[in-house]
Amino acid sequence: EAQVTQNPRYLITVTGKKLTVTCSQNMNHEYMSWYRQDPGLGLRQIYYSMNVEVTDKGDVPEGYKVSRKEKRNFPLILESPSPNQTSLYFCASIPTGTGGYNEQFFGPGTRLTVL
Amino acid sequence: DAKTTQPPSMDCAEGRAANLPCNHSTISGNEYVYWYRQIHSQGPQYIIHGLKNNETNEMASLIITEDRKSSTLILPHATLRDTAVYYCIVRVMNTGKLIFGQGTTLQVKP
Repeated sequence: EAQVTQNPRYLITVTGKKLTVTCSQNMNHEYMSWYRQDPGLGLRQIYYSMNVEVTDKGDVPEGYKVSRKEKRNFPLILESPSPNQTSLYFCASIPTGTGGYNEQFFGPGTRLTVL
Repeated sequence: DAKTTQPPSMDCAEGRAANLPCNHSTISGNEYVYWYRQIHSQGPQYIIHGLKNNETNEMASLIITEDRKSSTLILPHATLRDTAVYYCIVRVMNTGKLIFGQGTTLQVKP
């Protein structure tokens, strides 16, 4: 089954404790992206990657890092989490080889709470 | 990237057609109109997209005005499971970036 998976689905942590949220897709998509969703602000893009070893900032990249060492994985790293990073996070992937017009597949979400 | 404007909420009776409007008056010629929906806090789900012609798939129909400044998503026979937040988005060709607005909360009522 074509899917985007994220782990963990729920995480409660404390300020300053480094964490990684993993994202993996089994569709061989070139493009992957991370979004955060906050009440009243909708979904905002954090980082995206057009292909392996190619990443770029989205609209709200501060406090986050990403890496794209292989096509299927796109982890989101919070080096020193802070309470304002408490949010619902979504990973997404899309095939761009066919012109980039296709649907974007979203993962199930990771609910992160930083105390 | 063009912005979209949608009504914050709408109601629809079960079994009737749900017509969700979207204004995208600043859309450029190379921007597609996409519709997604999000049920509770699940990952957004793709519904349909189009450039200038009307489109239909198994889930919905998309009607785009001739000047492309607005569109309407039509769910022909709404069910209770269609209750969700519906997002109208414009996206530039060959980019993966989607700019989500606030969306329309559709409540389908028995």
